[in-house]
Amino acid sequence: QSALTQPASVSGSPGQSITISCTGTSSDIGDYNYVSWYQQHPGKAPRLMIDDVTNRPSGVSNRFSGSKSGNTASLTISGLQAEDEAAYYCSSYSSSSTLILFGGGTKVTVL
Amino acid sequence: QLQLQESGSGLVKPSQTLSLTCAVSGDSISSGSYSWNWIRQPPGMGLEWIGYIFPSGSTYYNPSLTSRVAISLDRSKNQFSLKLNSVTAADTAVYYCARARVKYGDYVAFDSWGQGTLVTVS
Repeated sequence: QSALTQPASVSGSPGQSITISCTGTSSDIGDYNYVSWYQQHPGKAPRLMIDDVTNRPSGVSNRFSGSKSGNTASLTISGLQAEDEAAYYCSSYSSSSTLILFGGGTKVTVL
Repeated sequence: QLQLQESGSGLVKPSQTLSLTCAVSGDSISSGSYSWNWIRQPPGMGLEWIGYIFPSGSTYYNPSLTSRVAISLDRSKNQFSLKLNSVTAADTAVYYCARARVKYGDYVAFDSWGQGTLVTVS
């Protein structure tokens, strides 16, 4: 069981918007703005898509956006495209002994 | 452009030691504001952070692995290494090395990853 909770799967049609949630606790997401999101295509290494909750690193499409409310962070993909079909992982700094947490991952399917 | 490349044995026998190295190019591992990390992913499963080492040489490990893991630096070769002892089939995974950006010593995000290497314990 992962420390951060994500839905196992989310799907949407091309052009639609989808949102992936990532729920933690007051020891991680709730108390720190160090939430990041990673995209992973099959057989590939993860790629950083969002850091510092809302920041998009250079080269990441502006169709990807991040937010946070309380102990839950969210990743929104707008204008869904076939190339967005992948697994997405959230991550956060934690004041617990584990320090760095990942969510269990969400499989995004483009219908 | 920063590049990380894992290397090491792809097959390890149970109870033996897994050893991997991450060669870094495009930046010095002695650069500030970063930590150097190992992360693994069992087949079909999610990501698990193993541990990190700072340029100073200080380390921190996931409590679930701390009794079996060691991460070290080789500044002369600009690389860092992972050793995991007493391995079992549960340690079979793709192992990634990654650079993490840090603020005031706290993890922010993994901004660069190696391609990953599959290690099978059998």
